Amino acid sequence: DIVMTQTPLSLSVTPGQPASISCKSSQSLLHSDGKTYLYWYLQKPGQSPQLLIYEVSNRFSGVPDRFSGSGSGTDFTLKISRVEAEDVGVYYCMQSIQLPITFGQGTRLEIK
Amino acid sequence: QVQLVESGGGVVQPGGSLRLSCAASGFTFSSYGMHWVRQAPGKGLEWVAFIRYDGSNKYYADSVKGRFTISRDNSKNTLYLQMNSLRAEDTAVYYCAKDRTTVTFDAFDIWGQGTMVTVSS
Repeated sequence: DIVMTQTPLSLSVTPGQPASISCKSSQSLLHSDGKTYLYWYLQKPGQSPQLLIYEVSNRFSGVPDRFSGSGSGTDFTLKISRVEAEDVGVYYCMQSIQLPITFGQGTRLEIK
Repeated sequence: QVQLVESGGGVVQPGGSLRLSCAASGFTFSSYGMHWVRQAPGKGLEWVAFIRYDGSNKYYADSVKGRFTISRDNSKNTLYLQMNSLRAEDTAVYYCAKDRTTVTFDAFDIWGQGTMVTVSS
């Protein structure tokens, strides 16, 4: 199985400040079809997860442009340019290049 | 609007069975692969199973293989998860989720609200 490792596991950020979460995979997520199968989700308190970023860097419909994704191969980063109160929750990276689909442990973002 | 609504959760004894359902609306259900994902209390997300848009291929996590069966009825826009031989470690919120693509598995772009399954004597 591909192991997804997120750091840090928790983050406390002042509103308006940036935040960054790292995700490393145990194998390359670059497929022969040219796609990189790395995704980011946010699970807000008491809610279902929601898709933020697909294929490393593409914002899903309705996701604010303060969220951005980058990386390649096995190293990926989610950045929030200016954290807002509504961004609190747990962020997960996920790979689907290979079954079983696996998630990172999650990174809890709180507001200072 | 696009929506997934799960049902069928509850409390069951170890060794028992449950069938979860997920009713889809607002999109062409028969065109997309579908997944079940679970989350144990206070824990992270775990992918459980996937079924292709036409039901021709099914895949399972090792932790549920041989005990759980994913299926779908495209005429009813409904996804199912039959869970047998349930164990305490199957206790979780179970989410159904729509795949973003039509042919294979990709990302989960729509999630249901989840249904709680508790396995306890």
